[in-house]
Parts: sequence; C-alpha cells; structure tokens
Amino acid sequence: GAVVSQHPSWVICKSGTSVKIECRSLDFQATTMFWYRQFPKQSLMLMATSNEGSKATYEQGVEKDKFLINHASLTLSTLTVTSAHPEDSSFYICSARDPRGHQETQYFGPGTRLLVL
Amino acid sequence: DAKTTQPTSMDCAEGRAANLPCNHSTISGNEYVYWYRQIHSQGPQYIIHGLKNNETNEMASLIITEDRKSSTLILPHATLRDTAVYYCIVNQAAGNKLTFGGGTRVLVKP
Repeated sequence: GAVVSQHPSWVICKSGTSVKIECRSLDFQATTMFWYRQFPKQSLMLMATSNEGSKATYEQGVEKDKFLINHASLTLSTLTVTSAHPEDSSFYICSARDPRGHQETQYFGPGTRLLVL
Repeated sequence: DAKTTQPTSMDCAEGRAANLPCNHSTISGNEYVYWYRQIHSQGPQYIIHGLKNNETNEMASLIITEDRKSSTLILPHATLRDTAVYYCIVNQAAGNKLTFGGGTRVLVKP
C-alpha cells in the first residue's frame, strides 16, 4: 500500500506553546488529507478535511482557530495546535487519499503523540 | 454513511482462522465495506474493501452476504502480530472521510 509519514512521532510541550505536526504522502500526490484525533481507549475522531490549495473543512465542535491546517502542496499537510493545553494531549493521526487505482483508498500515517504539560 | 455493528472483542488461537463479523443492515447500493485495523499505538492500516463480490488479498478475505447487510473478514492463519482493533466501515469511497466506530478488539493467543 501507499506510504504516509508523520513528523514528529511524539512531542512534549509546555502549556501555551504551539506545536506543528507534518503529514506527508511519500509515493503519491494527495489532494485530500484528513486529520484525526484519538484519546486513550477511544476510537478515532475526524477533526478536519484538508484540501490542497483551499481552506480545510472542520468537523462540528473542532475549533478552526486552535487547530490550524495548511495543505500547501500535494504531498504535505500540516496541523498546528495553537496555545496547547493539557486537554489537547492526544494521539493525532493523519490520512491521505490515494487517487490511483480503480477505487480510491485512504492510507494512514503512524500518528503523533502529543503531551502538553 | 451507513452505521456498522461489530462485537466488542474476540479471542482467537494462533494459527487458526479468525472470522470477524460486521453488520451493516442500512448499507446503500453505492456504499463499499472497508476494513482497517489498528495495532496498539499505531495509525490504522488498510486491509481490504469490497462492494458486492467476495474479495481476497495477501492479508485477508472479505465475504459479503448477498443482501449486503453483513460481512465477515477472515484472517486465514492468525498470528500474534494480528492482535489489534479491527474496524468495519461503510462508505461511498475510501477517499471520503471515514467514520470509525468502536471496532472489534481481537486478541490472538498462543
């Protein structure tokens, strides 16, 4: 399957700072990427859909000014958690839509674990 | 997108086939059945998907009932590394946003 990477794999930051997470599609171009969040013992929750060259579409209840998404190229989307607080500590996972083949398939990155102190 | 129902957990023996059921009684004619799994502390991994016909790849087989209201994911020879949470998702296309339910927590035992 296609490869999606994330960087960093884990990050610890102080409350009030901003953290940027990168999501890259390594062997295909992705016009659409998705950002999910997963709290311990819970399932993945979609935060937003990232579209190359346009504004992201946020799910209900997700603050767009707090979770800034930029999809400036066909292989890179970034999620910036602004003014992070301890309640933002979570596992952030991105995915990318692979347009190749008969049926588009979505592939996920390995995730970024964020701990806000 | 149609909702799916999966058992919360199941155990299976190493080397044996693991059969994971999924109910999707409200599936629409243009919706596919997708299976992903998530090994602890990793991102979900795509396994297989299908529309009407049974599908097989190097990882698993997908059996979809004729009325498409349920399906079964088959891991032919489960290994310890198959221990994970398995998600059955119904969607018009995997390129669209996916809605994850609770999944089935599969524990493969020696």
